[in-house]
Order: sequence, then structure tokens, then C-alpha cells
Amino acid sequence: EAQVTQNPRYLITVTGKKLTVTCSQNMNHEYMSWYRQDPGLGLRQIYYSMNVEVTDKGDVPEGYKVSRKEKRNFPLILESPSPNQTSLYFCASSSTAPQETQYFGPGTRLLVL
Amino acid sequence: AQKVTQAQTEISVVEKEDVTLDCVYETRDTTYYLFWYKQPPSGELVFLIRRNSFDEQNEISGRYSWNFQKSTSSFNFTITASQVVDSAVYFCALASRYNFNKFYFGSGTKLNVKP
Repeated sequence: EAQVTQNPRYLITVTGKKLTVTCSQNMNHEYMSWYRQDPGLGLRQIYYSMNVEVTDKGDVPEGYKVSRKEKRNFPLILESPSPNQTSLYFCASSSTAPQETQYFGPGTRLLVL
Repeated sequence: AQKVTQAQTEISVVEKEDVTLDCVYETRDTTYYLFWYKQPPSGELVFLIRRNSFDEQNEISGRYSWNFQKSTSSFNFTITASQVVDSAVYFCALASRYNFNKFYFGSGTKLNVKP
């Protein structure tokens, strides 16, 4: 089954404790992206990757890092989480760029205390 | 600047009513793509439609229809004979030639369909 998976689905952590949210797709897609969803703001793009070792900033990259060492994986790293990073995070992938249909993961709900 | 505006924060209708969700976009590019996604209460994002800027033909899919008007920079979504299962948050989104790798969502419209 074609899918995008994210782990963990729920996470409670404390300020400053490094964490990684994993994202994996099994569709051999080149393009992957991370979004955060906040009430009243919709989804905002954090980072995206056009292919292995090629990443770039979206609209809200501050406080986040990403890497793309393999085509299927695109982890999101919060080196020193802060309460304003409490949010619902979505990973997405598409065959090339996002003008092709993006497939979204189930979401990761993060609470930073 | 690229921007998507969904001015309707929340809409409530009674089942079987028709409802239109508004989407207004901004872009300087002549080549762009518009999308609608549905987010049901379970939280996942479901792709509904993609439309490119050169195709202004309206589209109908069952009870769903989309009206794309470049003259008003709008891409509105109508649900005919709404059902309780249509209750969800609906997002309009834009990808433009200025940077096809970036994707812009509107703030979403929450639709409540009451029995």
C-alpha cells in the first residue's frame, strides 16, 4: 500500500530536549516536505527536499533541521524544542514537485512543556 | 507574494443544503496550481482536486464542484446536498511557478453539517 508514515504520532517533551520525528514514504517520490498546522493559520511549510541531499527552507524553518540521506526518509529534527513549537506536524511526498499530488502522512502531535 | 485566503472560518449548514467554500489566491505568476484538501475529524489530509492556471473549466465530481475564475483570483468549492460526512476542515492551497517547490495553504474553513 502506497503510504507516508510518521513516527511518533504523539509526543510530549520538555523544553530543550532534542527530538526527531521520522517520515518515510514507499512510493519512490523525489519531493518531500514538512508542514506544521496551527489553529487559524492553516498549514505552513517548514522545509522541503527535492531529492537526496537537496533541501531548502519553507516559510517557517526557524528552530528546525532536516536531512535527506535516503530517498524514502526525511526526518524533522528539533535540536532544542520550545513551547512555541507545540503543533501538529505533517510530512508529505509527491513524485516531483508539489504541483503534483502530495500524499500526506497521518500527522504527529507534539506538545513541548 | 503568494497567498491564499479563506475568509470563512467556520460554516454550519443543515444536511441536504448546498454550501460554497470560498478561496481567493494571490500570485504574480501566470503558471500556478490550485488545490483543495479535506481534513476530517480524524485528522488526515485528503486530496480532493488539483487545477492548473491554464484550465478554467469548472469541474464536477459527484456532489462536489469547483469554480475557477482567474478574473477574480478565486477557486471556490461547492458541496451540493451536503451530508454529515462532509463535516471537516477544508483547505485551499497554491503552488506557483515563482517557486514550484513551495506550497501555500489557506487557513482553512471548518464545515459543520448538522443532521
